[in-house]
Amino acid sequence: GAVVSQHPSWVICKSGTSVKIECRSLDFQATTMFWYRQFPKQSLMLMATSNEGSKATYEQGVEKDKFLINHASLTLSTLTVTSAHPEDSSFYICSARVAWQRNTGELFFGEGSRLTVL
Amino acid sequence: GQQVMQIPQYQHVQEGEDFTTYCNSSTTLSNIQWYKQRPGGHPVFLIQLVKSGEVKKQKRLTFQFGEAKKNSSLHITATQTTDVGTYFCAGPKTTGFQKLVFGTGTRLLVSP
Repeated sequence: GAVVSQHPSWVICKSGTSVKIECRSLDFQATTMFWYRQFPKQSLMLMATSNEGSKATYEQGVEKDKFLINHASLTLSTLTVTSAHPEDSSFYICSARVAWQRNTGELFFGEGSRLTVL
Repeated sequence: GQQVMQIPQYQHVQEGEDFTTYCNSSTTLSNIQWYKQRPGGHPVFLIQLVKSGEVKKQKRLTFQFGEAKKNSSLHITATQTTDVGTYFCAGPKTTGFQKLVFGTGTRLLVSP
Protein backbone atom coordinates (compact mmCIF):
# COMPACT_ATOMS: atom_id res chain seq x y z
CA GLY A 1 0.00 0.00 0.00
CA ALA A 2 0.89 3.66 -0.21
CA VAL A 3 3.18 5.07 2.47
CA VAL A 4 2.88 8.45 4.12
CA SER A 5 5.66 9.53 6.43
CA GLN A 6 5.62 12.28 9.04
CA HIS A 7 8.45 13.98 10.84
CA PRO A 8 9.04 14.57 13.67
CA SER A 9 7.15 11.89 15.60
CA TRP A 10 7.53 13.79 18.85
CA VAL A 11 8.31 17.41 19.49
CA ILE A 12 8.46 19.44 22.67
CA CYS A 13 8.72 23.20 22.42
CA LYS A 14 8.46 26.27 24.57
CA SER A 15 5.40 28.46 24.52
CA GLY A 16 5.68 31.15 21.86
CA THR A 17 7.92 29.24 19.50
CA SER A 18 6.99 27.77 16.11
CA VAL A 19 7.09 24.13 15.12
CA LYS A 20 7.16 22.66 11.63
CA ILE A 21 5.79 19.21 10.85
CA GLU A 22 6.54 17.51 7.54
CA CYS A 23 4.33 15.05 5.72
CA ARG A 24 5.69 13.11 2.77
CA SER A 25 4.08 10.65 0.40
CA LEU A 26 6.93 8.20 -0.19
CA ASP A 27 5.77 6.12 -3.13
CA PHE A 28 3.05 8.15 -4.76
CA GLN A 29 2.22 11.71 -5.67
CA ALA A 30 -0.43 13.55 -3.71
CA THR A 31 -1.94 16.73 -5.08
CA THR A 32 -4.06 16.94 -1.95
CA MET A 33 -3.21 16.15 1.63
CA PHE A 34 -5.36 16.44 4.70
CA TRP A 35 -4.27 17.56 8.15
CA TYR A 36 -6.10 16.27 11.20
CA ARG A 37 -5.72 16.98 14.90
CA GLN A 38 -6.54 14.48 17.60
CA PHE A 39 -6.77 15.19 21.32
CA PRO A 40 -6.33 12.27 23.75
CA LYS A 41 -9.10 9.69 23.52
CA GLN A 42 -10.99 11.81 21.01
CA SER A 43 -11.78 11.61 17.34
CA LEU A 44 -9.86 13.04 14.41
CA MET A 45 -10.83 16.58 13.55
CA LEU A 46 -10.06 17.83 10.06
CA MET A 47 -8.07 21.05 10.23
CA ALA A 48 -7.29 21.83 6.63
CA THR A 49 -6.84 20.55 3.12
CA SER A 50 -3.43 21.10 1.62
CA ASN A 51 -3.39 21.66 -2.14
CA GLU A 52 -0.20 21.39 -4.18
CA GLY A 53 0.63 24.69 -5.80
CA SER A 54 -2.21 26.65 -4.24
CA LYS A 55 -3.46 27.87 -0.91
CA ALA A 56 -4.71 25.49 1.71
CA THR A 57 -8.38 25.50 2.64
CA TYR A 58 -9.15 25.57 6.33
CA GLU A 59 -12.10 24.16 8.23
CA GLN A 60 -14.33 26.47 10.19
CA GLY A 61 -12.76 27.56 13.44
CA VAL A 62 -9.18 26.77 12.43
CA GLU A 63 -6.92 29.84 12.40
CA LYS A 64 -5.03 29.92 9.13
CA ASP A 65 -2.46 32.37 10.46
CA LYS A 66 -1.68 30.07 13.33
CA PHE A 67 -1.52 26.82 11.36
CA LEU A 68 0.45 27.59 8.24
CA ILE A 69 0.30 24.96 5.53
CA ASN A 70 2.60 24.74 2.56
CA HIS A 71 2.33 22.14 -0.19
CA ALA A 72 5.34 22.94 -2.32
CA SER A 73 5.63 19.65 -4.19
CA LEU A 74 3.57 16.60 -5.08
CA THR A 75 5.14 14.63 -2.24
CA LEU A 76 5.53 17.13 0.58
CA SER A 77 3.18 19.16 2.73
CA THR A 78 4.23 21.02 5.84
CA LEU A 79 2.24 22.28 8.81
CA THR A 80 3.76 25.03 10.91
CA VAL A 81 2.23 25.78 14.28
CA THR A 82 3.16 29.39 14.91
CA SER A 83 3.50 30.94 18.35
CA ALA A 84 2.53 27.67 19.94
CA HIS A 85 0.74 27.61 23.27
CA PRO A 86 -0.02 24.74 25.65
CA GLU A 87 -3.55 24.41 24.24
CA ASP A 88 -1.99 23.54 20.87
CA SER A 89 -0.53 20.38 22.38
CA SER A 90 -2.06 17.55 20.40
CA PHE A 91 -1.49 14.71 17.97
CA TYR A 92 -1.27 16.04 14.41
CA ILE A 93 -1.76 13.56 11.58
CA CYS A 94 -1.58 14.03 7.85
CA SER A 95 -3.20 11.85 5.23
CA ALA A 96 -3.48 11.49 1.48
CA ARG A 97 -5.03 9.42 -1.27
CA VAL A 98 -3.32 7.85 -4.23
CA ALA A 99 -4.29 9.50 -7.48
CA TRP A 100 -6.08 6.54 -9.03
CA GLN A 101 -8.53 6.46 -6.14
CA ARG A 102 -9.68 9.90 -7.15
CA ASN A 103 -11.54 11.71 -4.43
CA THR A 104 -13.40 9.16 -2.37
CA GLY A 105 -11.05 6.27 -1.75
CA GLU A 106 -9.22 5.30 1.39
CA LEU A 107 -6.94 7.69 3.17
CA PHE A 108 -3.38 6.72 3.97
CA PHE A 109 -2.21 8.28 7.20
CA GLY A 110 1.20 9.32 8.38
CA GLU A 111 2.47 8.08 11.71
CA GLY A 112 1.44 11.31 13.38
CA SER A 113 3.36 13.99 15.27
CA ARG A 114 2.80 14.47 18.97
CA LEU A 115 3.32 18.09 19.95
CA THR A 116 3.79 19.15 23.55
CA VAL A 117 4.02 22.86 24.27
CA LEU A 118 5.46 23.77 27.65
CA GLY B 1 -23.31 20.84 11.34
CA GLN B 2 -22.62 17.39 10.01
CA GLN B 3 -22.13 14.84 12.77
CA VAL B 4 -21.13 11.19 12.88
CA MET B 5 -21.74 9.51 16.19
CA GLN B 6 -20.64 6.08 17.35
CA ILE B 7 -21.82 3.92 20.20
CA PRO B 8 -20.60 2.67 22.50
CA GLN B 9 -17.74 5.01 23.34
CA TYR B 10 -15.87 2.21 25.02
CA GLN B 11 -16.22 -1.53 25.43
CA HIS B 12 -14.21 -4.01 27.42
CA VAL B 13 -14.68 -7.67 26.48
CA GLN B 14 -13.11 -10.99 27.30
CA GLU B 15 -11.20 -12.66 24.53
CA GLY B 16 -13.59 -14.80 22.51
CA GLU B 17 -16.61 -12.57 23.04
CA ASP B 18 -18.24 -10.71 20.18
CA PHE B 19 -18.16 -6.93 19.73
CA THR B 20 -20.26 -4.47 17.76
CA THR B 21 -19.91 -0.75 17.18
CA TYR B 22 -22.63 1.35 15.62
CA CYS B 23 -22.20 4.44 13.52
CA ASN B 24 -24.90 7.03 12.86
CA SER B 25 -24.63 9.99 10.54
CA SER B 26 -26.74 13.12 10.63
CA THR B 27 -26.68 13.16 6.82
CA THR B 28 -27.01 10.60 4.05
CA LEU B 29 -23.60 9.35 2.96
CA SER B 30 -22.46 8.33 -0.50
CA ASN B 31 -20.09 5.88 1.12
CA ILE B 32 -18.73 4.98 4.51
CA GLN B 33 -15.26 3.91 5.51
CA TRP B 34 -13.96 2.19 8.61
CA TYR B 35 -10.56 2.69 10.20
CA LYS B 36 -8.74 1.11 13.11
CA GLN B 37 -6.30 2.99 15.29
CA ARG B 38 -4.11 1.01 17.63
CA PRO B 39 -3.06 2.70 20.90
CA GLY B 40 -0.33 5.21 20.08
CA GLY B 41 -0.70 4.57 16.36
CA HIS B 42 -2.32 6.13 13.36
CA PRO B 43 -5.61 5.19 11.67
CA VAL B 44 -5.46 2.32 9.20
CA PHE B 45 -8.12 1.77 6.58
CA LEU B 46 -10.25 -1.34 6.96
CA ILE B 47 -12.98 -1.13 4.36
CA GLN B 48 -15.30 1.06 2.29
CA LEU B 49 -19.01 0.44 1.75
CA VAL B 50 -20.87 2.14 -1.06
CA LYS B 51 -24.21 0.47 -1.71
CA SER B 52 -27.35 0.72 0.37
CA GLY B 53 -27.70 -2.39 2.53
CA GLU B 54 -24.23 -3.61 1.62
CA VAL B 55 -22.58 -6.24 3.81
CA LYS B 56 -18.90 -7.08 3.59
CA LYS B 57 -16.82 -9.55 5.55
CA GLN B 58 -13.15 -9.66 6.35
CA LYS B 59 -12.41 -12.83 8.29
CA ARG B 60 -13.96 -12.20 11.73
CA LEU B 61 -15.10 -8.67 10.86
CA THR B 62 -18.52 -7.96 9.32
CA PHE B 63 -19.41 -4.51 8.06
CA GLN B 64 -22.89 -3.28 7.17
CA PHE B 65 -24.17 -0.13 5.50
CA GLY B 66 -27.73 0.80 6.33
CA GLU B 67 -30.53 0.91 3.78
CA ALA B 68 -30.90 4.66 4.21
CA LYS B 69 -27.11 5.12 3.97
CA LYS B 70 -27.07 6.99 7.27
CA ASN B 71 -25.81 4.25 9.54
CA SER B 72 -23.33 1.45 9.60
CA SER B 73 -22.01 -1.21 11.93
CA LEU B 74 -18.90 -3.23 12.50
CA HIS B 75 -19.18 -6.61 14.19
CA ILE B 76 -16.22 -8.64 15.35
CA THR B 77 -16.78 -12.31 16.07
CA ALA B 78 -14.71 -14.00 18.75
CA THR B 79 -12.47 -11.08 19.61
CA GLN B 80 -8.74 -11.51 20.03
CA THR B 81 -6.26 -9.35 21.91
CA THR B 82 -4.98 -8.10 18.57
CA ASP B 83 -8.37 -6.44 18.02
CA VAL B 84 -7.58 -3.85 20.71
CA GLY B 85 -7.81 -0.29 19.44
CA THR B 86 -10.25 2.42 18.49
CA TYR B 87 -12.57 1.87 15.55
CA PHE B 88 -13.73 4.89 13.58
CA CYS B 89 -16.30 5.16 10.85
CA ALA B 90 -15.92 8.06 8.42
CA GLY B 91 -17.99 9.58 5.67
CA PRO B 92 -17.58 12.33 3.08
CA LYS B 93 -18.21 15.87 4.25
CA THR B 94 -21.25 17.51 2.75
CA THR B 95 -19.14 20.64 2.21
CA GLY B 96 -16.48 18.82 0.24
CA PHE B 97 -16.87 15.17 -0.70
CA GLN B 98 -13.14 14.46 -0.85
CA LYS B 99 -12.84 15.34 2.81
CA LEU B 100 -13.71 12.80 5.45
CA VAL B 101 -15.50 13.47 8.70
CA PHE B 102 -14.72 10.88 11.33
CA GLY B 103 -17.08 9.37 13.83
CA THR B 104 -16.57 9.74 17.55
CA GLY B 105 -14.94 6.31 17.72
CA THR B 106 -15.37 3.20 19.83
CA ARG B 107 -12.45 2.08 21.96
CA LEU B 108 -12.20 -1.67 22.34
CA LEU B 109 -10.25 -3.37 25.07
CA VAL B 110 -9.89 -7.16 24.99
CA SER B 111 -8.73 -9.05 28.06
CA PRO B 112 -7.07 -12.44 27.64
